[in-house]
Amino acid sequence: DAGVIQSPRHEVTEMGQEVTLRCKPISGHNSLFWYRQTMMRGLELLIYFNNNVPIDDSGMPEDRFSAKMPNASFSTLKIQPSEPRDSAVYFCASSWAGTSGVNTQYFGPGTRLTVL
Amino acid sequence: AQTVTQSQPEMSVQEAETVTLSCTYDTSENNYYLFWYKQPPSRQMILVIRQEAYKQQNATENRFSVNFQKAAKSFSLKISDSQLGDTAMYFCALTGANNLFFGTGTRLTVIP
Repeated sequence: DAGVIQSPRHEVTEMGQEVTLRCKPISGHNSLFWYRQTMMRGLELLIYFNNNVPIDDSGMPEDRFSAKMPNASFSTLKIQPSEPRDSAVYFCASSWAGTSGVNTQYFGPGTRLTVL
Repeated sequence: AQTVTQSQPEMSVQEAETVTLSCTYDTSENNYYLFWYKQPPSRQMILVIRQEAYKQQNATENRFSVNFQKAAKSFSLKISDSQLGDTAMYFCALTGANNLFFGTGTRLTVIP
């Protein structure tokens, strides 16, 4: 299995621009998570999906952030407009959530976003 | 509320020695999983070990083992025969039904 795939691996953009991060979860997994990691705030859960449906988006910082999962093999995290304080590493993770709830999460390599 | 606490921001260990990283947690769930993830300088988050809360036996993966004390809500990671490649941030994590929580991490340095 190829594992969780994220693109791009690095993104440098200017303030005000739209940024789209992409994620392909592990085949067969039914839960997908977006995290943000910064030195100041550590690892934060932004949103997670179960069976393509957003379950908890309380971690999404503000309306500039949006996430979609149109099908079981693809998700996007969009920031519009981007700001310098959005600079961080964004991780996508996937897992199989059975009847016992969320299970082991496997992480992608992350996207390092720099907003100038 | 669910919380995960790692009280050791930084630790160091001599190569080939043993080190233990601490983690305590709090949860109201009955069914949950506990994990240790490793994040080396490459920033990749790598699963080290996992423990199902309903299992009394401590999980072991090669040089990595845990001491799971359910009543005390403690979940420590022991690394035996430390290697230079073990240098990384280590995160303790707790999941349950719809709950996902990570600790703040412990930065481990293995000294040659």
